[in-house]
This record gives sequence, C-alpha cells and structure tokens, in this order.
Amino acid sequence: DGGITQSPKYLFRKEGQNVTLSCEQNLNHDAMYWYRQDPGQGLRLIYYSQIVNDFQKGDIAEGYSVSREKKESFPLTVTSAQKNPTAFYLCASSIAGVQPQHFGDGTRLSIL
Amino acid sequence: DQQVKQNSPSLSVQEGRISILNCDYTNSMFDYFLWYKKYPAEGPTFLISISSIKDKNEDGRFTVFLNKSAKHLSLHIVPSQPGDSAVYFCAASDVNSGSARQLTFGSGTQLTVLP
Repeated sequence: DGGITQSPKYLFRKEGQNVTLSCEQNLNHDAMYWYRQDPGQGLRLIYYSQIVNDFQKGDIAEGYSVSREKKESFPLTVTSAQKNPTAFYLCASSIAGVQPQHFGDGTRLSIL
Repeated sequence: DQQVKQNSPSLSVQEGRISILNCDYTNSMFDYFLWYKKYPAEGPTFLISISSIKDKNEDGRFTVFLNKSAKHLSLHIVPSQPGDSAVYFCAASDVNSGSARQLTFGSGTQLTVLP
C-alpha cells in the first residue's frame, strides 16, 4: 500500500538536544511538507520541498532544519534553538502543483 | 493574522441530521479550498475540495459551498453519522504560492455526532 510513514510515533527529548523526525513516502510524490500542530490550533507550515536537494522555509522555520537527499525521504531536525518544541508534527506529500496533500500519522514530540 | 478562520471550535448534532461547518478567509488570492478530517493521534485525511471557479462541489454525503464575495465556505454533511465525529480543518491554497501549493489551515472544528 502506498502511503506516508512517520517514525517514531512518540519521541522524547532532553533540553538542549537535537532530535530528528523521519518521514518516508512511497507515493512517488515530488513535493513534501512538514507541519506543526499545537492544541486548539491549525497546522502551521515549517518547511517544504518541491524537488530533491531543494527546500524552502515555511511560516515557522526557526529552530528547525531539513534535508531532501532522496525523493522518498524528508527528515526534520528539531534543534536546541527551538524554544518550544513540544507539539504534534505532521509530514505530508503531494504531486507538485496539485492538491490534495496526503498526510502521515504524525510524531508527538515531548520535552523531558 | 489568521487568514483562514474557523470560528466554531465545536459542534454537536444528532445522528441523521445535517452538520454544517463554516470557514472564513481573508486572502483574496486563495483559489483552491479543501476540507480535511482528523481523528486523534492520526494525520488529517482529505475529504473534499473546491476550486474558486465553482460555488458547489458534492461527493456523496459531503457538499462544500463557496461564496467568494463573502469569502466564506461551508461543509455540509447529510445525513450525519457517529463515525463522522472528528476534527474538521478547512484549508486554502494561494495561487501565488508556486508549484508547491502551500496550504493555510484553519484552527479546526470538533464535530460530535450524537447517536
């Protein structure tokens, strides 16, 4: 079955540590996205990538970094510079220029 | 500045009745609108969409209406079923966002369908 796999489902981070969230898709989509959801709020765009080796900042990119070395993979690193990292993180993909975006089941990140 | 607003955080309806979820937007460059459904601890699932050249789109029990002059769209679910209980997000795409077609999301409405 084609889809988007995010791992792990739950992740805990100590203060001052970087942590990387995985996102893999086998839908052959060119575009991939990372969103953050906080309680009672909508999804906010962190980073997106239209093609391999290219990505752009979204609305809330500060404290995050990404890479896009393969079409199937778009990992997100939450750095120690992100002051409020506790949130639900969602990865999505789509055919470039075409909606809808398809989402993974998310990773919940908590700070110890 | 919220460009997509869902002013009702929650809505309860009886099974079999109509559910109407509302969404307002401020950016006149939005040209494509989508509704997503989300269960707890899962990713959003695409439900239905509408282009700005239309004012209505139907898919089974789900109909989306777009009123461009009022910058308002609504999702109608008829008849509502208990399995429809979820958070519904309205999202919009800006014609100027390029080929990535970024989405701007509302804050969501929790729909509860009572048996």
